[in-house]
Amino acid sequence: GESVGLHLPTLSVQEGDNSIINCAYSNSASDYFIWYKQESGKGPQFIIDIRSNMDKRQGQRVTVLLNKTVKHLSLQIAATQPGDSAVYFCAEKEGGADGLTFGKGTHLIIQP
Amino acid sequence: DSGVTQTPKHLITATGQRVTLRCSPRSGDLSVYWYQQSLDQGLQFLIQYYNGEERAKGNILERFSAQQFPDLHSELNLSSLELGDSALYFCASSPGDSYGYTFGSGTRLTVV
Repeated sequence: GESVGLHLPTLSVQEGDNSIINCAYSNSASDYFIWYKQESGKGPQFIIDIRSNMDKRQGQRVTVLLNKTVKHLSLQIAATQPGDSAVYFCAEKEGGADGLTFGKGTHLIIQP
Repeated sequence: DSGVTQTPKHLITATGQRVTLRCSPRSGDLSVYWYQQSLDQGLQFLIQYYNGEERAKGNILERFSAQQFPDLHSELNLSSLELGDSALYFCASSPGDSYGYTFGSGTRLTVV
């Protein structure tokens, strides 16, 4: 994943609009990717995952796209709601035992 | 409630002291992972245990250690604490050792 830093990118969208959060990963051997949502004072909450043998996966109001050629992952949130305001992290993992490598989070702000 | 329980939620201690953080995984999960989240380093993987045995190590300092007990709960021991150890410490669990991570709500450690 991206190196983690102090300054989080911020994405501000209008309530009801679609949001797209992007993530670049660095390990071409990673075969499993997860998007997490973290609200203030809480732990990361699983949103959706995708394995490297897929390029798209859909959940409820969310879609993850994986482009292995350019090592890019995106999370699309449809019809954003105030409750979607949070920091979103992508995480990657290479097969076998080990922990997740988290990318730099993106702070999603929903404007009324 | 994610099913992963961490105690205590908050901990304030002095430099040089030792603390123990506790994690109970989701029912049925055999793997426990520890992560540290600080402002300047983001979410960093520390260590993983699987069914009582150490499985993988990440960026864990020598002053830190962990173990997983027969009932599968885990403890993270932090000793000779320094101001820079102040962070959120998260535990996650998964059924095996590769997929399906669920995070707890974390322990906020403040070293003064």
